[in-house]
Amino acid sequence: EAGVTQFPSHSVIEKGQTVTLRCDPISGHDNLYWYRRVMGKEIKFLLHFVKESKQDESGMPNNRFLAERTGGTYSTLKVQPAELEDSGVYFCASSQQGAGNGYTFGSGTRLTVV
Amino acid sequence: GQNIDQPTEMTATEGAIVQINCTYQTSGFNGLFWYQQHAGEAPTFLSYNVLDGLEEKGRFSSFLSRSKGYSYLLLKELQMKDSASYLCAVRSHNAGNMLTFGGGTRLMVKP
Repeated sequence: EAGVTQFPSHSVIEKGQTVTLRCDPISGHDNLYWYRRVMGKEIKFLLHFVKESKQDESGMPNNRFLAERTGGTYSTLKVQPAELEDSGVYFCASSQQGAGNGYTFGSGTRLTVV
Repeated sequence: GQNIDQPTEMTATEGAIVQINCTYQTSGFNGLFWYQQHAGEAPTFLSYNVLDGLEEKGRFSSFLSRSKGYSYLLLKELQMKDSASYLCAVRSHNAGNMLTFGGGTRLMVKP
């Protein structure tokens, strides 16, 4: 089966611009998670979708971040306007509903805001 | 909140055994995961413990003690390709079942 796919793999944008990250989870996985790793820090949770619904968005840093999962398939994470501190690697993960293990991560999108 | 601690870096010799420790504090514990991550790649699932004891999977084993808030990942017969970051992550009922990660342990395997 195809893994979790993230696009783009790298993005360099200027402060104040908008960037949209995309995640395609494993087909049939209802749970979709966004995580972020800022340089030198641990991977931190951003939000969790179950199908198209936001189950938990307690990790979203502020209202410049908007995540969507229309139709319960792929998800997008938009940062508008981007700030320097948004730089980091954004990971997406998916899992089956009720799975006791097996979060599958994508390779991440490395975002650099200059 | 949750707190997860693991060593930042470790070095070991090819063919040897290495143990990477992880301590955690959480409420509503619902499992501990170990992931391996090579630079620029996705974290890859290694093991999952929810009950006390040892889970063995080939060269890799993971141990959990819930009463002590402690886990370790044991890597045997180290190979050069085992050089990577090893991430300890805890899942909690009280936190929507998302994963809380430690900072990762960067393991360098030397010839």
